[in-house]
Amino acid sequence: DADVTQTPRNRITKTGKRIMLECSQTKGHDRMYWYRQDPGLGLRLIYYSFDVKDINKGEISDGYSVSRQAQAKFSLSLESAIPNQTALYFCATSRPGNGELFFGEGSRLTVL
Amino acid sequence: AQKVTQAQTEISVVEKEDVTLDCVYETRDTTYYLFWYKQPPSGELVFLIRRNSFDEQNEISGRYSWNFQKSTSSFNFTITASQVVDSAVYFCALNSGGSNYKLTFGKGTLLTVNP
Repeated sequence: DADVTQTPRNRITKTGKRIMLECSQTKGHDRMYWYRQDPGLGLRLIYYSFDVKDINKGEISDGYSVSRQAQAKFSLSLESAIPNQTALYFCATSRPGNGELFFGEGSRLTVL
Repeated sequence: AQKVTQAQTEISVVEKEDVTLDCVYETRDTTYYLFWYKQPPSGELVFLIRRNSFDEQNEISGRYSWNFQKSTSSFNFTITASQVVDSAVYFCALNSGGSNYKLTFGKGTLLTVNP
């Protein structure tokens, strides 16, 4: 089983719908992240959390919200999805220190 | 602010050729870490290497090698005798002391190895 698990792996939805992407990890890391990948733009940070009570905005947080339900769970929500949120989303974890990220397998979201 | 530039958007080679992927970074910190990740067509991100700013020794792992030069702020990645399975997007990333909560990624280089 993967150490960092994302659900769903693929989702197609319509404009205006609420969508939640879930992430759970068994690595025991305190730090969790949500990144978005668009072709030609690399990965950009949406939100990050250092522990259950600590949530921080990243570079591109507008239109997104997150919830850290437990040390092992970090969810990303799109309250009202729009087509330009079509992308590949990655959850990741890390320990404090060198910043190495451990990624989930990605969630491909298509907003029609 | 920290920045990573991968100037090569796409590279196409024929199998068995050597290929070098360039990465140039910017940071004001003296302590930082550099990474390379591979993203095959299946989409997952695969960790390849981590290098800290105090270790300029080049590294070789099989057909992969990395050349870290602080003088030019570069951390280039060479694949020797490329294979079709090396076809992927490769990302260079930076974590530096002032922003050590996150990795800053380059935009990636798409490598296509043709048979």
